[in-house]
Amino acid sequence: AQSVTQLDSHVSVSEGTPVLLRCNYSSSYSPSLFWYVQHPNKGLQLLLKYTSAATLVKGINGFEAEFKKSETSFHLTKPSAHMSDAAEYFCVVRYTGANSKLTFGKGITLSVRP
Amino acid sequence: DVKVTQSSRYLVKRTGEKVFLECVQDMDHENMFWYRQDPGLGLRLIYFSYDVKMKEKGDIPEGYSVSREKKERFSLILESASTNQTSMYLCASSLIAGVSSEQYFGPGTRLTVT
Repeated sequence: AQSVTQLDSHVSVSEGTPVLLRCNYSSSYSPSLFWYVQHPNKGLQLLLKYTSAATLVKGINGFEAEFKKSETSFHLTKPSAHMSDAAEYFCVVRYTGANSKLTFGKGITLSVRP
Repeated sequence: DVKVTQSSRYLVKRTGEKVFLECVQDMDHENMFWYRQDPGLGLRLIYFSYDVKMKEKGDIPEGYSVSREKKERFSLILESASTNQTSMYLCASSLIAGVSSEQYFGPGTRLTVT
């Protein structure tokens, strides 16, 4: 079955330190991968997406993610966390032949300590 | 900017009531989606639509129906609300069915069934 795994449900970092949010997907030919962010009481906003072009993808707010086919991973990183980064982050995959259907991970809550 | 609006941010209904959740998008998108979001479960697809009067079941359609009479509007209907349908409901739209197209989300409706 098609799936995406976010092993960590909660990550806590100090302001100014790096952020790493992990995502693994089940292997498939040419998946598209997305990271969405949801701030409290808000809808989901697209951070970045990978669609078989460059494997290192840059998104908004200083986030980036690297597609690693050999590891079936698409981890989200940011060099220096800001208080405003505290939110829930979803890794999302669309597999070839799945039309527009997205498969969501369970989400990671990122906390940023002052 | 794409705008997806949902008719209510918060809704409280009684068990057995018929509930309508409305979603409107203003960018002439073909595809529209209804998800529910529950803690620890991420987003799960209820129904989606590729065109007017067209609908397809998602992963958890039981207890729900949908209506799409106009391109910009997609309604989710709970025929007889039950307490296990207490959840956050998110509507989304996308322009094309291509594998790389992103979905744009509304702010969500938090439904409580008592």
